[in-house]
Amino acid sequence: TQLLEQSPQFLSIQEGENLTVYCNSSSVFSSLQWYRQEPGEGPVLLVTVVTGGEVKKLKRLTFQFGDARKDSSLHITAAQPGDTGLYLCAGTPGNQFYFGTGTSLTVIP
Amino acid sequence: NAGVTQTPKFQVLKTGQSMTLQCAQDMNHEYMSWYRQDPGMGLRLIHYSVGAGITDQGEVPNGYNVSRSTTEDFPLRLLSAAPSQTSVYFCASSYFLPGQAEAFFGQGTRLTVV
Repeated sequence: TQLLEQSPQFLSIQEGENLTVYCNSSSVFSSLQWYRQEPGEGPVLLVTVVTGGEVKKLKRLTFQFGDARKDSSLHITAAQPGDTGLYLCAGTPGNQFYFGTGTSLTVIP
Repeated sequence: NAGVTQTPKFQVLKTGQSMTLQCAQDMNHEYMSWYRQDPGMGLRLIHYSVGAGITDQGEVPNGYNVSRSTTEDFPLRLLSAAPSQTSVYFCASSYFLPGQAEAFFGQGTRLTVV
């Protein structure tokens, strides 16, 4: 049983389009993180959200933490081919990281 | 800036063989962990350690052993490999602070069991 479920699992879009990726759980988290993983590499941290309702922006990426701290979303504006990769959310119940099922994004030039 | 170093990068094993995946970190982190990554499953926690001499099981520990004799090293042992253990394995080194945490990953080991 996965603690964190992501949707969609796969996403293929044209350059310039917008997209949203969701991360949902039945558990409450003190914080949630988003990582991006490129082929042949390990995941790399993009952002941490801590407060319910918090919104963080990283250039064209907008991250939101749900008010109840059970879910999060990642919105990408005007996607570019360099955004291609696997996006993973992660929660830290105790001193471990539990990762979501992942969203594989392909941006077509 | 080595960070987290995993070896080997690729390995093919026959069913029943044993092997050890090596992981070393130079960031002086107390927390280290092993994950396996399978298509559509994200990263699943195998074992983790909160410091030298202390290890515990994660979500999918069966078939794997770990030990942590030093802060730097956290090897993962497969005692009798099975085809179901074909996967990509990642080692991570982490820190936890109030409101802040981060996992740093190695480049992974792609293991095939035939």
